[in-house]
Amino acid sequence: AQRVTQPEKLLSVFKGAPVELKCNYSYSGSPELFWYVQYSRQRLQLLLRHISRESIKGFTADLNKGETSFHLKKPFAQEEDSAMYYCALWGAQKLVFGQGTRLTINP
Amino acid sequence: DAGITQSPRHKVTETGTPVTLRCHQTENHRYMYWYRQDPGHGLRLIHYSYGVKDTDKGEVSDGYSVSRSKTEDFLLTLESATSSQTSVYFCAISPRDRTEAFFGQGTRLTVV
Repeated sequence: AQRVTQPEKLLSVFKGAPVELKCNYSYSGSPELFWYVQYSRQRLQLLLRHISRESIKGFTADLNKGETSFHLKKPFAQEEDSAMYYCALWGAQKLVFGQGTRLTINP
Repeated sequence: DAGITQSPRHKVTETGTPVTLRCHQTENHRYMYWYRQDPGHGLRLIHYSYGVKDTDKGEVSDGYSVSRSKTEDFLLTLESATSSQTSVYFCAISPRDRTEAFFGQGTRLTVV
């Protein structure tokens, strides 16, 4: 079975502070992991994927197979980062999401 | 935006009635998905399709059925709507396994 867990439903930080959104997964095969973001009144959209190893909007995420984690990080939060963030796992022909974390950046 | 359209965008229906939601794509993508989004539960997979007439259940499939008779359309049917099926429903498409998925705008369904 494949499963994604995001332990924090809500996360609030001040502008300029570092951000870390946690994601843990379980999957017996080789995982393909993603972070999706949903801004207010917009569609869900891809933020980044582990295989590309690129930084998008200042966010990075590293796959740690030993800890089965794929945490999302940004060194300096900006107000426009306020959104709903979902970690997702591809495995066995289906894309499964975590419960999501609502990130609020306070001015 | 990817060529993916959900209809209707909003619907209010009564308990016990059947409801069909439509997802239409113009991208010729192989994979199509239906999710429901609920506070505290995130996005949960209802059913998915990996080709015409090839569908499978997700984690919350009870009370739902799907059909995909052609590449571009993926229909989700609530056989007898219940209040617990009040939710926002999202369709997603993907060209291949293990690649980016593109999402529709969502359908807000209220069962009264």
